[in-house]
Amino acid sequence: TQLLEQSPQFLSIQEGENLTVYCNSSSVFSSLQWYRQEPGEGPVLLVTVVTGGEVKKLKRLTFQFGDARKDSSLHITAAQPGDTGLYLCAGGGGGSNYKLTFGKGTLLTVNP
Amino acid sequence: GAGVSQSPSNKVTEKGKDVELRCDPISGHTALYWYRQRLGQGLEFLIYFQGNSAPDKSGLPSDRFSAERTGGSVSTLTIQRTQQEDSAVYLCASRKTSGGAQYFGPGTRLLVL
Repeated sequence: TQLLEQSPQFLSIQEGENLTVYCNSSSVFSSLQWYRQEPGEGPVLLVTVVTGGEVKKLKRLTFQFGDARKDSSLHITAAQPGDTGLYLCAGGGGGSNYKLTFGKGTLLTVNP
Repeated sequence: GAGVSQSPSNKVTEKGKDVELRCDPISGHTALYWYRQRLGQGLEFLIYFQGNSAPDKSGLPSDRFSAERTGGSVSTLTIQRTQQEDSAVYLCASRKTSGGAQYFGPGTRLLVL
């Protein structure tokens, strides 16, 4: 069974601070996706990374896929209250070309 | 165009009753997923439909759970004889192509008393 461990589980910071959240596994994934989920809504895809060592930037968000394709990180620079939400990572592949394995998420609160 | 829609948005039921949850995927999306999200947990895969192929039901937790997709579009997830542990958010997602992004609906929040 493939598992994705996310850390920290909860994070509360002040506006303007930087933060990094992590997604780790002992399994290799062919792709890894990051989603943000706001209260009362479904998850919204932020990025997909597919190549080991890949780095993608989305405004103040930087996503990295580990060289061995077993882990990923999300770094947010100068966090804003609008970044508040549940950040989920999801791994694809591992014998299935359509199933995703989701982590439990990091609940981020950015206080003004 | 419209996104994935789900109904009802909230459902409160009594233990032992049956419930039906509906998902309207994005038009033209051939793949449809159902997930369960319990409080403090990640998304748990339930079932996958792709076109006219046999669905992947490997994630359904018990035979009380079933789902169908009519005409390759709308899907209904049915939970029979609901139990308190069935309380969760049930999310539906659709996808246009193999390997493409999944687009999620807002979910149905089910509470079994």
